[in-house]
Amino acid sequence: SQTIHQWPATLVQPVGSPLSLECTVEGTSNPNLYWYRQAAGRGLQLLFYSVGIGQISSEVPQNLSASRPQDRQFILSSKKLLLSDSGFYLCAWSVAGGFNSPLHFGNGTRLTVT
Amino acid sequence: AQSVTQLGSHVSVSEGALVLLRCNYSSSVPPYLFWYVQYPNQGLQLLLKYTSAATLVKGINGFEAEFKKSETSFHLTKPSAHMSDAAEYFCASYGGGYQKVTFGTGTKLQVIP
Repeated sequence: SQTIHQWPATLVQPVGSPLSLECTVEGTSNPNLYWYRQAAGRGLQLLFYSVGIGQISSEVPQNLSASRPQDRQFILSSKKLLLSDSGFYLCAWSVAGGFNSPLHFGNGTRLTVT
Repeated sequence: AQSVTQLGSHVSVSEGALVLLRCNYSSSVPPYLFWYVQYPNQGLQLLLKYTSAATLVKGINGFEAEFKKSETSFHLTKPSAHMSDAAEYFCASYGGGYQKVTFGTGTKLQVIP
């Protein structure tokens, strides 16, 4: 069966520090991968999605970036965090090319920028 | 572009009462629609998805949703609420770009004992 791992579960970082959140998927090949952010009192905002290694689509211009160095690995990064980067970050995967394929989510990372 | 709208950011029901959470979609093409549930500090879990095979879709935990093209709606219902149903619920759809999934703003369900 397929599983998705996301870590760390919680993170407290000072403003201006770098960020690296990692997500890996097991049990499937060539998945679509997604990063969402959920800010307090707001819905889910799609940040990045990837349909293959090295293929990243950015949805929102900001100081975050994403990379997909391996087929089932998706990394969210920042060189310098802002207070506004605080939120709940969710990684998800879906079957490539399937418009009826639902997203499968990790357990999320709670990021607090102080 | 495909999008979904959830009416009501908070819904309160008594335990045992009917649960109705509203979702409307906008698009001129057949939609691909989903309902998810999120418990505090957890990821989202799929409740059900619309496959176009049937207008009434049954999901997990006793939830179901009815696709109504004439009303562009995909409302989520459950005949009898349980305390464990207290969570946030999101309607979602594909659209607005290749392989993109967009979510509604969510509805927090409170179940009153």
